[in-house]
Amino acid sequence: DVKVTQSSRYLVKRTGEKVFLECVQDMDHENMFWYRQDPGLGLRLIYFSYDVKMKEKGDIPEGYSVSREKKERFSLILESASTNQTSMYLCASSFGAAGNEKLFFGSGTQLSVL
Amino acid sequence: QKEVEQNSGPLSVPEGAIASLNCTYSDRGSQSFFWYRQYSGKSPELIMFIYSNGDKEDGRFTAQLNKASQYVSLLIRDSQPSDSATYLCAVNGGTYKYIFGTGTRLKVLA
Repeated sequence: DVKVTQSSRYLVKRTGEKVFLECVQDMDHENMFWYRQDPGLGLRLIYFSYDVKMKEKGDIPEGYSVSREKKERFSLILESASTNQTSMYLCASSFGAAGNEKLFFGSGTQLSVL
Repeated sequence: QKEVEQNSGPLSVPEGAIASLNCTYSDRGSQSFFWYRQYSGKSPELIMFIYSNGDKEDGRFTAQLNKASQYVSLLIRDSQPSDSATYLCAVNGGTYKYIFGTGTRLKVLA
């Protein structure tokens, strides 16, 4: 079974802190994604990566950056956390580029910025 | 702005009934359509995908796609309390991009 592991289930940070969210997948998937999920807004794509060192902006990249130095690991960075970044963050991975790929999600990180 | 619309619910059905979940999308060029199930406090998991007009069946689940009407639905036959969850509709919005609806919460009453 594909496993997508997010480093923390719950995280509490202060405004202005730099925050790192880590995601690791064990199935050699090419594609990795970061979403945030908010009530009433659904899942929104922050960034994605289709290869090592490659990254593309999603729909809401402002205030975030990403790093993919190894195929299995995709990190989301909040350069200076703000209260409006309090959310559930979901990492996902997939294989291929045909447009019908199944997304495998990690268990999520509930981030609270105080 | 490409959009995927779902009724937030909750949709309540008695155990054993058919649950019908609906989704509309705005981009006529969309080719692939997905249904994810998300239990409370858990992450989404894919239960169905469809890319051709018509019906696709998998066990108790049937996905229906009508591209002319830009409409995709999920039918759950013989609904069980364990089917109680939020169901997310997702549409392929370009290479690597998937647009998600806000989800419909389903409650199956025992």
